[in-house]
Amino acid sequence: KQEVTQIPAALSVPEGENLVLNCSFTDSAIYNLQWFRQDPGKGLTSLLLIQSSQREQTSGRLNASLDKSSGRSTLYIAASQPGDSATYLCAVRDGGTKTSYDKVIFGPGTSLSVIP
Amino acid sequence: ETGVTQSPTHLIKTRGQQVTLRCSSQSGHNTVSWYQQALGQGPQFIFQYYREEENGRGNFPPRFSGLQFPNYSSELNVNALELDDSALYLCASSLAGLAGGRNEQFFGPGTRLTVL
Repeated sequence: KQEVTQIPAALSVPEGENLVLNCSFTDSAIYNLQWFRQDPGKGLTSLLLIQSSQREQTSGRLNASLDKSSGRSTLYIAASQPGDSATYLCAVRDGGTKTSYDKVIFGPGTSLSVIP
Repeated sequence: ETGVTQSPTHLIKTRGQQVTLRCSSQSGHNTVSWYQQALGQGPQFIFQYYREEENGRGNFPPRFSGLQFPNYSSELNVNALELDDSALYLCASSLAGLAGGRNEQFFGPGTRLTVL
């Protein structure tokens, strides 16, 4: 059974710091991994999606890496800003085929606060 | 291109009642997944609909049921509401079955259900 964990559960950093959020999953047979941002009481905003054949994806100040063999992904945020304050969730899509149903398993999230 | 929309935004019900939540998928998407997110936790997969049929189900009892319509919009129905059903209910749409497709899920803003 696939389980996804995220460390740390909460993080508080001063503005301008670079930071790393960690995600681990127990079964390496994933189809893809997605990082989301969630503001309080809101839905999920997709940040980056990494296919199982890829090693990393970048978007602006965000970089996500994937190491399937070790069951790990990291989300790197460069030059953090107060507007980055939110909960960050990683999610893995289980299974190995693009047509199997999209069972997506989420981690519990990391709550990030960037202090001005 | 319109995004994923959900209605209503908020809902208050009492124990034992029934509720219907609605989701309109993103234009061009054929798959809708539903998730339950309790406070402070990551979303939990309820089920997925693909081409109007349930295509996969998480660990939720039969009183959680759904429908998908020919225009790919979807409903989540919950019967005999319990206090623990209080949560944010998220739907996500994606395009499945396309060769080389990313199967990226796009989420709606959610419906906040409170059961008293």
